[in-house]
Amino acid sequence: TQLLEQSPQFLSIQEGENLTVYCNSSSVFSSLQWYRQEPGEGPVLLVTVVTGGEVKKLKRLTFQFGDARKDSSLHITAAQPGDTGLYLCALWGHGNKLVFGAGTILRVKS
Amino acid sequence: NAGVTQTPKFQVLKTGQSMTLQCAQDMNHEYMSWYRQDPGMGLRLIHYSVGAGITDQGEVPNGYNVSRSTTEDFPLRLLSAAPSQTSVYFCASSHTSGRADSQYFGPGTRLTVL
Repeated sequence: TQLLEQSPQFLSIQEGENLTVYCNSSSVFSSLQWYRQEPGEGPVLLVTVVTGGEVKKLKRLTFQFGDARKDSSLHITAAQPGDTGLYLCALWGHGNKLVFGAGTILRVKS
Repeated sequence: NAGVTQTPKFQVLKTGQSMTLQCAQDMNHEYMSWYRQDPGMGLRLIHYSVGAGITDQGEVPNGYNVSRSTTEDFPLRLLSAAPSQTSVYFCASSHTSGRADSQYFGPGTRLTVL
C-alpha cells in the first residue's frame, strides 16, 4: 500500500513557466519532508513542514502543508533548467520508518 | 566531513552470488537506513537501525541482511543475489528518527544481477 501519492508522475515544461506538484495521503501525518534528487546522486532535503496550513518559501520554491495535514504541495515559480530533477515527498510512518512517495520527474527545457 | 560514503559505486553479480554493500558516515548519526530505488517506485526502505546493535526491517527486507556493530558503519548483505535485486541502493543517516531530522544520503550503488 502506497502511503503517499505524488502527482503528476512526470512534468516537462519550458524555462520561465510555473508549476505545482502534489503529495497526498489518506492518513494524517505529523510532518512531511520534500527532497530533490538529481541524476546519479542521492536525494537532498529541501524542507520539512510540520504545522497544518504552514507555508515555507525557499527562493522560487513555495511549500504548503494542508490544513488537515493530509496533503502538501510544492510550487516553483519561473522554473529554470537547474530545477530539473526528481521531487520526492516523505513522511515518518509507523515506527522509525521514513516512507517516500514515488516522486515527480521534472524536466525544464531552455 | 565526508558525510555518507558508499562502496562500490557499481557492481555486477551473477544469480546466486553474495556480496556486501558498504556504508559509512562520519557525522555521529544514530539513525541509518538502506533504500532501493527502482523506476517509478521512489525509494523503498529495506532495513534501518536506530543505533549500534539495533536493526529492524523496512518495507522490502527479504533477501537482505544488515548489522550495526558500530555507530559509523551499516553494511547491507545480499545472501544469494537474484535478478529482482537489480536496483540502485542508497544508504542514509540522520541524527535521530525525529520528525524534522534530515536524512543525508550517500551517492548510491548501482547493482546489476545477471
